[in-house]
Amino acid sequence: DTGVSQNPRHKITKRGQNVTFRCDPISEHNRLYWYRQTLGQGPEFLTYFQNEAQLEKSRLLSDRFSAERPKGSFSTLEIQRTEQGDSAMYLCASSPGQAWGYTFGSGTRLTVV
Amino acid sequence: AQSVTQPDIHITVSEGASLELRCNYSYGATPYLFWYVQSPGQGLQLLLKYFSGDTLVQGIKGFEAEFKRSQSSFNLRKPSVHWSDAAEYFCAVGPQGGSEKLVFGKGTKLTVNP
Repeated sequence: DTGVSQNPRHKITKRGQNVTFRCDPISEHNRLYWYRQTLGQGPEFLTYFQNEAQLEKSRLLSDRFSAERPKGSFSTLEIQRTEQGDSAMYLCASSPGQAWGYTFGSGTRLTVV
Repeated sequence: AQSVTQPDIHITVSEGASLELRCNYSYGATPYLFWYVQSPGQGLQLLLKYFSGDTLVQGIKGFEAEFKRSQSSFNLRKPSVHWSDAAEYFCAVGPQGGSEKLVFGKGTKLTVNP
């Protein structure tokens, strides 16, 4: 399967803990995106990488959030000191270019208790 | 700023009936427009996209969409719905102005009755 892979699929954590999610994009896609989706809403943009460079960040990405793509392949999204409001589906997507649209992974469902 | 409005939160159709899901957008230039479908607990799958040329675009699973610049609309259609089409559908616009992000609507949930 050469789709976008996200791990873990589900994560339950206690408030105040740190969590890290991983995304493995389609190997030939140089663009990688993170989105967050809450119940009843469409996905909201968090950040974008082209190769290893993080070129765009949303204001939604507070200082508790950090994303990396160290070798231009997989990416990680870390949330420090989680809050209940961080509970959401975190979606990763990759693309070979602007006009192609995204290929999304199945997401990581985060529940903060 | 870009925005996308999907006026219908929930639509119910009978299997075999035709379907039209509405999408209106606000955008400063010629948009890239997309429709995605999401099954419960899953990521989003691209159904079709428009960025230039023929205003009627064909997608996967028998879906099509028509771009109408005068109405700022990009409605999704299917002539005959199957039970497996039950899902949530998202319209998206972008990118624009050096930003790579897509802006998504809030989605329309489709229920298909037997």
